Amino acid sequence: DTEVTQTPKHLVMGMTNKKSLKCEQHMGHRAMYWYKQKAKKPPELMFVYSYEKLSINESVPSRFSPECPNSSLLNLHLHALQPEDSALYLCASSQETFREYYNEQFFGPGTRLTVL
Amino acid sequence: KQEVTQIPAALSVPEGENLVLNCSFTDSAIYNLQWFRQDPGKGLTSLLLIQSSQREQTSGRLNASLDKSSGRSTLYIAASQPGDSATYLCAVSLYSGGGADGLTFGKGTHLIIQP
Repeated sequence: DTEVTQTPKHLVMGMTNKKSLKCEQHMGHRAMYWYKQKAKKPPELMFVYSYEKLSINESVPSRFSPECPNSSLLNLHLHALQPEDSALYLCASSQETFREYYNEQFFGPGTRLTVL
Repeated sequence: KQEVTQIPAALSVPEGENLVLNCSFTDSAIYNLQWFRQDPGKGLTSLLLIQSSQREQTSGRLNASLDKSSGRSTLYIAASQPGDSATYLCAVSLYSGGGADGLTFGKGTHLIIQP
C-alpha cells in the first residue's frame, strides 16, 4: 500500500476562519512533507518532518502552522489566510530522509484551498 | 540555491513515438532525483527514483538516466500511448545536515500524445 490520503479534497474559507488540513499514511514512513502548488506552477516545499520533529521550515508565514501528532498523521493548521494563499496543498511521505534509497517521496491527491 | 530546468515546456507527438524529456539542475551535489507525472488537478505519481550513485533506472516503458557531474537527467518514454498524456516533473533533493531536504521541482513538460 503506497497511499497517502488527504482531507478534505476541497476547502473554501474566509480570511478570518481557522481550518486544518489533514494528511495520513500507513506505510510506516517516518518523514512527511507539505508542499504548496499554485496554478500552472511546480510544487514548492513548505515543511519537512523527520521522526515527528520539524526539520525544515522554508520561511513559511506563521499563518500556516504544521503539526505532526504521530508518525502516521500530519496536519496543517490555517489561520488568517490571504486570497493569494489559494492553491493545491500536497502532502508527501518517505521512509526516512537519511538514506538515498529510502527517500522516494509518495504524494497524496492534495487539498484544493480557496481563500475568499 | 538549486534550480531545476526542464526542456521542452510542451510536447505533442503522435501515438507510438519514442520520446525524450530533459531535466537539468545547477547544484550537482544532489541526494537523489525523482521523476513524477501529474494529471490535471491531481496529485503527483512517482515514476522513478535515481539515487545519486546510480546512472539509470527502468520501469516498464520508462527509462531515466542521470549524469550528476553535468547536472542532467533524461526520461525516455518508449512506444508512447494516449494515456501517457500528462505533465512530467523532474525533482531533486540535496543533503542537509539532518538528512535529505525536500524536493526542488522543475516547471514540468506538458506532454500530449495524439491518438
